[in-house]
Amino acid sequence: LAKTTQPISMDSYEGQEVNITCSHNNIATNDYITWYQQFPSQGPRFIIQGYKTKVTNEVASLFIPADRKSSTLSLPRVSLSDTAVYYCPLIYNQGGKLIFGQGTELSVKP
Amino acid sequence: NAGVMQNPRHLVRRRGQEARLRCSPMKGHSHVYWYRQLPEEGLKFMVYLQKENIIDESGMPKERFSAEFPKEGPSILRIQQVVRGDSAAYFCASSREKISYEQYFGPGTRLTVT
Repeated sequence: LAKTTQPISMDSYEGQEVNITCSHNNIATNDYITWYQQFPSQGPRFIIQGYKTKVTNEVASLFIPADRKSSTLSLPRVSLSDTAVYYCPLIYNQGGKLIFGQGTELSVKP
Repeated sequence: NAGVMQNPRHLVRRRGQEARLRCSPMKGHSHVYWYRQLPEEGLKFMVYLQKENIIDESGMPKERFSAEFPKEGPSILRIQQVVRGDSAAYFCASSREKISYEQYFGPGTRLTVT
């Protein structure tokens, strides 16, 4: 599976919108894009998934350009509890293993 | 509606001992995945199992590591003759079907090898 690259860390303040970008230049046709959140000493938690264009659910939006070489997770109005590590693993053909990169450590300040 | 359960949560082993990590998937889930997270690193896929079958073990070290998911009971990740480099957090995840974007992760087992 293709490798993903994200910024190592990001800082934000409460109430701001946060956009985290993930690069996956070598994404394959059958790869889907997922985003997970991980708090310290816990397992990751699924946030959102998509193949192309825009996807929105109750917690986030996911923007995927036509070439699918990157994706952006958008978190509206973050709070202190959104401080976590965010990953954008690719998943092959809707099932099977997740391939995680390094993740982005988001710090939300008051 | 219990989530994925892993036990023990913390495990300390001396070099050369065996470690057995257990994972009970969510009710109704028949697909189990094991991942390892070394300190300050992301998660690395190890193995994907269905009941009584290993589907993908491309991430498993060739020696000392094995996994099973029997017809009855939890999935087991077994590490023989542990070394200090095996110290890590081991996460189990499950999904209802193979075609699923969402994997549900357990709280992990933190293995420390002394």
